[in-house]
Amino acid sequence: EVQLVESGGGLVQPGGSLQLSCAASGFTFGDFWLTWVRQAPGKGLEWVANINPDGSNRPLLDSVRGRFFISRDNAKNSLYLQINSLRAEDTAVYYCARSGYPSAFDIWGQGTVVTVSS
Amino acid sequence: EIVLTQSPGTLSLSPGERATLSCRPSQTVSSSSLAWYQQRPGQAPRLLIYGASSKAPGIPDRFSGSGSGTDFTLTISRLEPEDFAVYFCQHDGGTFGPGTKVDIK
Repeated sequence: EVQLVESGGGLVQPGGSLQLSCAASGFTFGDFWLTWVRQAPGKGLEWVANINPDGSNRPLLDSVRGRFFISRDNAKNSLYLQINSLRAEDTAVYYCARSGYPSAFDIWGQGTVVTVSS
Repeated sequence: EIVLTQSPGTLSLSPGERATLSCRPSQTVSSSSLAWYQQRPGQAPRLLIYGASSKAPGIPDRFSGSGSGTDFTLTISRLEPEDFAVYFCQHDGGTFGPGTKVDIK
């Protein structure tokens, strides 16, 4: 079964850090672009970052540049999002997804919740 | 930066009715770069349409996408109970529109 499973979310104080992980199975991980998308409570979807198959191209949302870092380990079939200097406005469900079609994401994880609060 | 405008914000319809959802980019975009997603409460988004008009596998025939340039449309020909959800368009694997909620009238 083609699957993505996120982990690493939790409650963190403002200014703290987290590393989110996304474990893939059921497909050739290293062949695909991947993405992180977040959704604040009661809000819409917000694209955060993409990464190409070999990790050399990593477009990032302007408002998180310098704080968020996307990476992947194709040998471990895993995608990561390092998030630093967390702010209350980073509170959201964070989803990872696979780009199975040009400019579209066909496989999504269930999401991991990040809550930034003191 | 391309901004996506979706309208209406909320569409109140009855099962069996036709739903027409609009997505308007702030500048001309390639049709190959426009996707539509459905999100039900408490669930992850689900890809419906890619390349403006191509259906993802397993998507029912009642869903169709059309348009070009700065005017794209998602049409649901006859609403089923499971179609009442929020729909988002996305450009080039990046920016999302704010969404259209389709709720039961």
